[in-house]
Amino acid sequence: EVQLVESGGGLVQPGGSLTLSCAASGFTFSSSAMTWVRQAPGKGLEWVSSITGSDGHTYYTDSVKGRFTISRDNPKKTLFLQMNSLRAEDTAVYYCTKLLAGTGSDNWGQGTLVAVSS
Amino acid sequence: QPVLTQSSSASASPGSSVKLTCTLSNTHSNYIVAWHQQQPGKAPRYLMKLEGGGSYNKGSGIPDRFSGSSSGADRYLTISNLQSEDEADYYCETWDSNIRLFGGGTKLTVL
Repeated sequence: EVQLVESGGGLVQPGGSLTLSCAASGFTFSSSAMTWVRQAPGKGLEWVSSITGSDGHTYYTDSVKGRFTISRDNPKKTLFLQMNSLRAEDTAVYYCTKLLAGTGSDNWGQGTLVAVSS
Repeated sequence: QPVLTQSSSASASPGSSVKLTCTLSNTHSNYIVAWHQQQPGKAPRYLMKLEGGGSYNKGSGIPDRFSGSSSGADRYLTISNLQSEDEADYYCETWDSNIRLFGGGTKLTVL
């Protein structure tokens, strides 16, 4: 059974930093592309970033480019999202998803809440 | 890049059927979409992949009541024999050149 468990969310001041983690199990993590998707309170889903499997190519939505960094540790089966220069508009639940080629996000984690406020 | 358009809300009675629509922008009318369900207070759940020709592949454990179809740029999610637990937000997703996009979501109310 595929499991994705996010952690690392919390309350942070504007301009601060936070690193999210996603522990994966139940599938071949090293060959799977992964994404982060966020959902602001009362809003819809927004893709944030993706990383390919073994070669680790990264992609970002424009609003987080230069501030967020996605990475992965394949031996530890863990996905990361380093978030710097956080803004109030980054407040959201952040979900880790597994991508299946040609199919989309076929598994979702339970999410972790990031709140940016002074 | 593609744009996905969804109606903001829909409603139907228990036991009936409902057809939700996700419309792709004209120049992306052949794109594949994925449908996701988000029940209140829960994480999204993958329902299916739906191709432009109408063929679809459902995720593990998705009931037979859920099906997909396509017509032109429209991608449909049909839920038959509606149950109370089907009350949820439904999102479509697509991708282009490693950029991923979601529709705005449809809130389905089971009256």
